[in-house]
Formats: sequence, structure tokens, C-alpha cells
Amino acid sequence: KAGVTQTPRYLIKTRGQQVTLSCSPISGHRSVSWYQQTPGQGLQFLFEYFSETQRNKGNFPGRFSGRQFSNSRSEMNVSTLELGDSALYLCASSLAPGQGIDTQYFGPGTRLTVL
Amino acid sequence: DQQVKQNSPSLSVQEGRISILNCDYTNSMFDYFLWYKKYPAEGPTFLISISSIKDKNEDGRFTVFLNKSAKHLSLHIVPSQPGDSAVYFCAARSQGGSEKLVFGKGTKLTVNP
Repeated sequence: KAGVTQTPRYLIKTRGQQVTLSCSPISGHRSVSWYQQTPGQGLQFLFEYFSETQRNKGNFPGRFSGRQFSNSRSEMNVSTLELGDSALYLCASSLAPGQGIDTQYFGPGTRLTVL
Repeated sequence: DQQVKQNSPSLSVQEGRISILNCDYTNSMFDYFLWYKKYPAEGPTFLISISSIKDKNEDGRFTVFLNKSAKHLSLHIVPSQPGDSAVYFCAARSQGGSEKLVFGKGTKLTVNP
């Protein structure tokens, strides 16, 4: 079974630009969550999607947004990029929320560098 | 405020010995705990989990212990192998059906041959 895939793996942008990252969950998984990893803050929750609906959102500014499609694939978008947005962006998938004990599986991440 | 804390940024052990990684949490609403292993520039790899209704879960060389009264969990790796060298993250999920995980900042484990 293929794991979580994320594209692109690496991205370099300049301040003020916008970026879109993509995540394909494990087949059969319908819940997708996004996390940002930085050296100072560790892994921080961005948002969670299920059935094309955002179920939960972390403490990030409105420049960070996302969506989920009917095939469970998800995208996240960051507008007006800032230097501090440089990070590893991780996507995780799980079967569905509220299913009791459930495990999230992570993709390899997209390394975003903002110059 | 940091709801999940891993107070040791690093740990070094000899091959064949036991590695014990610790994690403390403050939120009583957490009902499920997970340990992930991470190599640089890769996503975290799931290792083992435990529900709050249990106090121990074992999977091969990995055992997780949960002490709810102390709000403390630990990961034991026995015997430790050089390939176990990585950063280990403790994560917790709240009751209520959300998939949101709260992570500790990680402990870098080095297993010396």
C-alpha cells in the first residue's frame, strides 16, 4: 500500500509570493492533517480536513489556508510569504476522525525555503 | 504553553543497552498518545501508541508506559541498536474526535556501537 505522498518535495520562493502544497493520503484514508515543523517551534498543527470540511485549525494567521477534495487529496496554500514561513510542511493521513484509536501516518514533507 | 514536554533534548546510550525516553503532559483531556521517530528531512514514522485506558503497550523492542496520575509516559527501547539513532517525538491527542496531535519538541537519541 502506498504511503502518504507530498509534492513538491522542495520549494524555494521569495517574500510576498504565494505557494500551494499538495498531499495525497494513504488509499482509504479520508482524514488529512497538516503540520509545520521549524527548529524553534517543533511540530505545530495547522489544520485538519475530513469530507472536504475543515474540522480544526491551529494558531496560524489567515495567510495559511487549505482545502480537501472529494478524493481526499488535500492542498494547503500560503499567501504573502514571509521569511518565517520557511519550514518543513508535513501532511498526515488517518482513516477518519472519531474512530477511537487511530493512527496518523506522515508523508515525507515539503521543504519550503523563503528568500 | 507547552502541553507536551520532552525535557531531555538528547540522550546517548550504548548499543545493546536500554534507551528510556520520557514525556510529560499537562492536559487531562488527552486520551491517546503516540511516539514517532524522525530522521532529518523526512516525515515522522509511527512507532507505537497507547490509549489512556491502558498503562503499557509493547511491540517488539519498543514498550510505552503511561502513568496517568503523574501525566507521564515513557518509551523503552530494548536492546538499543545504532539504527535507532533518530529524533523521537511524543504526541498526544485530545478526546472529542479531532485528529489534531500536540507534539513535544523531541529527544535526539544516539546509540553508539
